[in-house]
Amino acid sequence: DAKTTQPPSMDCAEGRAANLPCNHSTISGNEYVYWYRQIHSQGPQYIIHGLKNNETNEMASLIITEDRKSSTLILPHATLRDTAVYYCIVRAINYGQNFVFGPGTRLSVLP
Amino acid sequence: DGGITQSPKYLFRKEGQNVTLSCEQNLNHDAMYWYRQDPGQGLRLIYYSQIVNDFQKGDIAEGYSVSREKKESFPLTVTSAQKNPTAFYLCASTGQGNSPLHFGNGTRLTVT
Repeated sequence: DAKTTQPPSMDCAEGRAANLPCNHSTISGNEYVYWYRQIHSQGPQYIIHGLKNNETNEMASLIITEDRKSSTLILPHATLRDTAVYYCIVRAINYGQNFVFGPGTRLSVLP
Repeated sequence: DGGITQSPKYLFRKEGQNVTLSCEQNLNHDAMYWYRQDPGQGLRLIYYSQIVNDFQKGDIAEGYSVSREKKESFPLTVTSAQKNPTAFYLCASTGQGNSPLHFGNGTRLTVT
């Protein structure tokens, strides 16, 4: 079973920030948080990952709470092309640990 | 450019036939994975391989087989024993440590 909980769907106005939450209350100390998104009929696209510090790249920012039990993916200026299903995954780097995908959050960016 | 290539994009087969889906990567990744996705659903792990000549069953391995004779290649065979083979199949790979998973663009298999 997936170790994360996400809302099934969210809406966001075009040009506004999209804040996607993820709960991972049972996360272990050696587990990273990864975010992916999937546009219909394509393979999932890697967005960002982190362990405990906040991370930022050209696509998004990842904010992890101090207790690491939840995180938020922030798309700073959402566009229509950001409409997709977003997956939050936790995974340790130990040998044999796999990426387990839950149902994710369907983000709809509205004009 | 480095990446994962899945072919073909669309595949049609008659019921009772085995079919092999191709997955090739030039990322020099050790680990490779096969996932299945049904409409409106998340991804489910079929098989994975951490190293050449070794592979492990995932959550839904029944009716599927794989081989890993080369680091770059991880073909998936959907056998006639798979009761509901029509689905979107995704291949992925990852490197060492905390490297993220990289996906191909998938093969959509339709069995009639």
